[in-house]
Amino acid sequence: TQLLEQSPQFLSIQEGENLTVYCNSSSVFSSLQWYRQEPGEGPVLLVTVVTGGEVKKLKRLTFQFGDARKDSSLHITAAQPGDTGLYLCAGELDRAYKYIFGTGTRLKVLA
Amino acid sequence: DVKVTQSSRYLVKRTGEKVFLECVQDMDHENMFWYRQDPGLGLRLIYFSYDVKMKEKGDIPEGYSVSREKKERFSLILESASTNQTSMYLCASEGAHNSPLHFGNGTRLTVT
Repeated sequence: TQLLEQSPQFLSIQEGENLTVYCNSSSVFSSLQWYRQEPGEGPVLLVTVVTGGEVKKLKRLTFQFGDARKDSSLHITAAQPGDTGLYLCAGELDRAYKYIFGTGTRLKVLA
Repeated sequence: DVKVTQSSRYLVKRTGEKVFLECVQDMDHENMFWYRQDPGLGLRLIYFSYDVKMKEKGDIPEGYSVSREKKERFSLILESASTNQTSMYLCASEGAHNSPLHFGNGTRLTVT
């Protein structure tokens, strides 16, 4: 069974702090996606990374794909209450249509 | 914007009942997926479909079946609901391969 482990599972921080969420696996992925899910809604895509070592920035969010394409990180700078939500990583295996989702990181940013 | 609509937000069913969860997308996407989401386990793939009348098992297909008679509609069927099928069910669609998954808002199913 392929697993995608996310850490930490829960994170509660004050507004303005920085944080990093990790997504690790023993499997090699052809691409990796990050989603954010808010209560009562489905996950919404934040970013897709494809190349090993790739770094993408989305305002205060920085995403990195590991060189070996087995892991990824999400760094948030100066977190805001609007960043609160469940963050999910999803790795795509070479087999078509096969996404493996991480266990999720539930982030709460306090004002 | 892509819209994926799941017919029910909340459902309560009894053990042994046959349950239908409906999902409709409005973007002519080829691929559709059914996941269940449980705390600490992330999203697990139940079934997916890459064309009308085509279906493939995901990681946890036992106790479920699906139907894709029209391109826009993908139905998940619980033949005989059991309490361990209490969960959040998420439908998603995907256009071209490598494009993002678009999710519905989920159906929270409780089986008593």
